[in-house]
Amino acid sequence: DAKTTQPTSMDCAEGRAANLPCNHSTISGNEYVYWYRQIHSQGPQYIIHGLKNNETNEMASLIITEDRKSSTLILPHATLRDTAVYYCIVRVRPSNDYKLSFGAGTTVTVRA
Amino acid sequence: EAEVAQSPRYKITEKSQAVAFWCDPISGHATLYWYRQILGQGPELLVQFQDESVVDDSQLPKDRFSAERLKGVDSTLKIQPAELGDSAMYLCASSEHRVGVEQYFGPGTRLTVT
Repeated sequence: DAKTTQPTSMDCAEGRAANLPCNHSTISGNEYVYWYRQIHSQGPQYIIHGLKNNETNEMASLIITEDRKSSTLILPHATLRDTAVYYCIVRVRPSNDYKLSFGAGTTVTVRA
Repeated sequence: EAEVAQSPRYKITEKSQAVAFWCDPISGHATLYWYRQILGQGPELLVQFQDESVVDDSQLPKDRFSAERLKGVDSTLKIQPAELGDSAMYLCASSEHRVGVEQYFGPGTRLTVT
């Protein structure tokens, strides 16, 4: 699976959009981009995934560049409850290797 | 909404003692995962079950760790004997399909070995 690079931390103002970048310059054509988040003292939570088209669900939007070497997770109106560690994961789907390979993620702090 | 259940939520044990964690996945989920998360790091897979069979335990320290899922439903992860370095969060997750990456995680068990 392709390696990802994320900033260590970022702050965001409550009510504003939070834009979380992820670099995956070695991504292959059949690899998807997945995002999970982990709120303090809880297990990780699936947010969204995409291959090459932009995706949106009730939680967030995922913007993937045309060359697929990077992506941005957008939380449209951040709330204090969005404070968490956000993980960007790149992997093949489907795959014989089902485990999720988490990196260190981005610690996002939403401030009032 | 269905959730993955884990118990206990917190466990403190002394070095060389045995400890066990329990996980009940979302009903109908055939695949179950145990992850270990050291403070400040992302989770790392220890073992994966498909129904009652182990499909990946390559990262499980088999000299002291064991995992079972006898009836293909709930699962137990055991450590014997516990070492100081085992202090971590132990997370259980389940997914509906074998290739599903949309894994649903439980709240975890925080283990402290003294």
